[in-house]
Amino acid sequence: QQPVQSPQAVILREGEDAVINCSSSKALYSVHWYRQKHGEAPVFLMILLKGGEQKGHEKISASFNEKKQQSSLYLTASQLSYSGTYFCGAQGADSWGKLQFGAGTQVVVTP
Amino acid sequence: NAGVTQTPKFQVLKTGQSMTLQCAQDMNHEYMSWYRQDPGMGLRLIHYSVGAGITDQGEVPNGYNVSRSTTEDFPLRLLSAAPSQTSVYFCASSDGDRRTEAFFGQGTRLTVV
Repeated sequence: QQPVQSPQAVILREGEDAVINCSSSKALYSVHWYRQKHGEAPVFLMILLKGGEQKGHEKISASFNEKKQQSSLYLTASQLSYSGTYFCGAQGADSWGKLQFGAGTQVVVTP
Repeated sequence: NAGVTQTPKFQVLKTGQSMTLQCAQDMNHEYMSWYRQDPGMGLRLIHYSVGAGITDQGEVPNGYNVSRSTTEDFPLRLLSAAPSQTSVYFCASSDGDRRTEAFFGQGTRLTVV
């Protein structure tokens, strides 16, 4: 089952903040976040692991609630370069190598 | 550094034709996966592999076959193309540590007419 992302889309002015949410119905080992620009491949932003370890982009922050199987990505003081589609990927606690993505959240940052 | 290489970048097929999408990585990664991307549907997992000789189905495996004879290569075969398989296909790889990110190829845009 794909994780569920919300909102589907968000429009921001430069400097504004936004939160993208991701939830899964199964126990997770990790949550990944990627950003995709139009016509390009997804690019890694961050990975959050069960137990609290995080790795990723210095200017992006995220949280992972292991009990609720939910993650949130925080876009703070957004820049034009933040525009794109954001995907969360979920790796199950009992699965190896199987990374499933949500439907994506389209983010548009305007001047 | 080549990373993950997909070929071809674009392909047009007629209904019923077969073809193989190629994916190769030079990072000695254990895990490799194929995804399809359709508008509003995100990235859906087709098949994945945790090592040479080991493959498993993802969310949307019907109409696709895979095999993994080497660590480097993970081809995706369309047995009899259908218009519903028109999509952008991405291959991704990651190493055998579940704490690391996936690297994506540049994608193959497939149109079935």
